[in-house]
Amino acid sequence: DAKTTQPTSMDCAEGRAANLPCNHSTISGNEYVYWYRQIHSQGPQYIIHGLKNNETNEMASLIITEDRKSSTLILPHATLRDTAVYYCIVRSTTSGTYKYIFGTGTRLKVLA
Amino acid sequence: KAGVTQTPRYLIKTRGQQVTLSCSPISGHRSVSWYQQTPGQGLQFLFEYFSETQRNKGNFPGRFSGRQFSNSRSEMNVSTLELGDSALYLCASSLRQGLAGRKTGELFFGEGSRLTVL
Repeated sequence: DAKTTQPTSMDCAEGRAANLPCNHSTISGNEYVYWYRQIHSQGPQYIIHGLKNNETNEMASLIITEDRKSSTLILPHATLRDTAVYYCIVRSTTSGTYKYIFGTGTRLKVLA
Repeated sequence: KAGVTQTPRYLIKTRGQQVTLSCSPISGHRSVSWYQQTPGQGLQFLFEYFSETQRNKGNFPGRFSGRQFSNSRSEMNVSTLELGDSALYLCASSLRQGLAGRKTGELFFGEGSRLTVL
């Protein structure tokens, strides 16, 4: 199962773009990259996911390198409410099952 | 629509006891997975159920078990509780239909059940 590596913590100024990196060098061809975030005392919340191509939604953009060994989550205009732990996850599908392996997460602190 | 509901939200047990946690998935979701979250280990996968069958299991001892009912509701049980079992137990549901749509596989988490073992 592919595993992910993320920086333990990052700071970002309010209104600036937050770029959160993730390394998943052992990812295999059929494994998706998912991003979730967890605000204190709440369950994790889905942000975005991708396989090969870059993806964008109303919350964020996901940039996946061509070799798929790493990705970056971009929050274009970070707000104080974006302060959370961000998890980069590789979704493994083995024999039709779905198993999510969470990394250690990056604690993002958005500063006023 | 209603989200994922976990009960109880908080509970305190003593070593050696057993505990059962309940999870009601979002209506229409047939996959339920369980995670343990501790400060030291982060979020760790326990198991996933789909159509009343356990589809995958994480690296936890046999004291951790679960089941899923025909209405997709799920329970997990921890027997012979140890101090190290103190954690936030999170349940997540998903469609997991495997075919249609970009949203397939997205997990919807509940607020969790916080277990304290004394």
